[in-house]
Amino acid sequence: DGGITQSPKYLFRKEGQNVTLSCEQNLNHDAMYWYRQDPGQGLRLIYYSQIVNDFQKGDIAEGYSVSREKKESFPLTVTSAQKNPTAFYLCASSMIRFPRRLDTIYFGEGSWLTVV
Amino acid sequence: AQKITQTQPGMFVQEKEAVTLDCTYDTSDQSYGLFWYKQPSSGEMIFLIYQGSYDEQNATEGRYSLNFQKARKSANLVISASQLGDSAMYFCAMREGETSYDKVIFGPGTSLSVIP
Repeated sequence: DGGITQSPKYLFRKEGQNVTLSCEQNLNHDAMYWYRQDPGQGLRLIYYSQIVNDFQKGDIAEGYSVSREKKESFPLTVTSAQKNPTAFYLCASSMIRFPRRLDTIYFGEGSWLTVV
Repeated sequence: AQKITQTQPGMFVQEKEAVTLDCTYDTSDQSYGLFWYKQPSSGEMIFLIYQGSYDEQNATEGRYSLNFQKARKSANLVISASQLGDSAMYFCAMREGETSYDKVIFGPGTSLSVIP
């Protein structure tokens, strides 16, 4: 089945450690995104990518890094510089269509990151 | 300024009744898309329905319909014949722009509880 796979579902990080969240899609989508969701709140964009080897910062990119070496993959690294990383992380993807209003974003199942 | 407003933090509805979840948005673009997503307790964001700014008819997808009032800048989600499985968070979102790459903006969400 086509979809977006995130792993791991649950991850614990010690203070000062970097961790990487995996995101893979087999929908042949060009664009991929990472969102952060804090309890009881909406989604905030961390990074997005339209094509391989290119990505753009979102609203809250500080303390995070990404790579896009393959169309299907968009891993997110939460670095030790991220002061408050405990949150729910959602990966998403979409086709790139014009006009842009037609683009629908589809999400993976999310990853819970907890700092211990 | 907040671009997506969902004024109902929590809603209750009796099983088999209809419920309307409110969403108002703010944009100066003529071209935009409006989306509703469902997020059950498992965390996955599920795409429900889409409405384009130039669409004259309200979108419908099964038990979901979108009450689009362009002049009032509202895009309310109507769920008919509520089921227990409809209990979840619901997010309204908007993508602005015709050709440039614009991010999707999410509202704060509404928590819906369906009562047996």
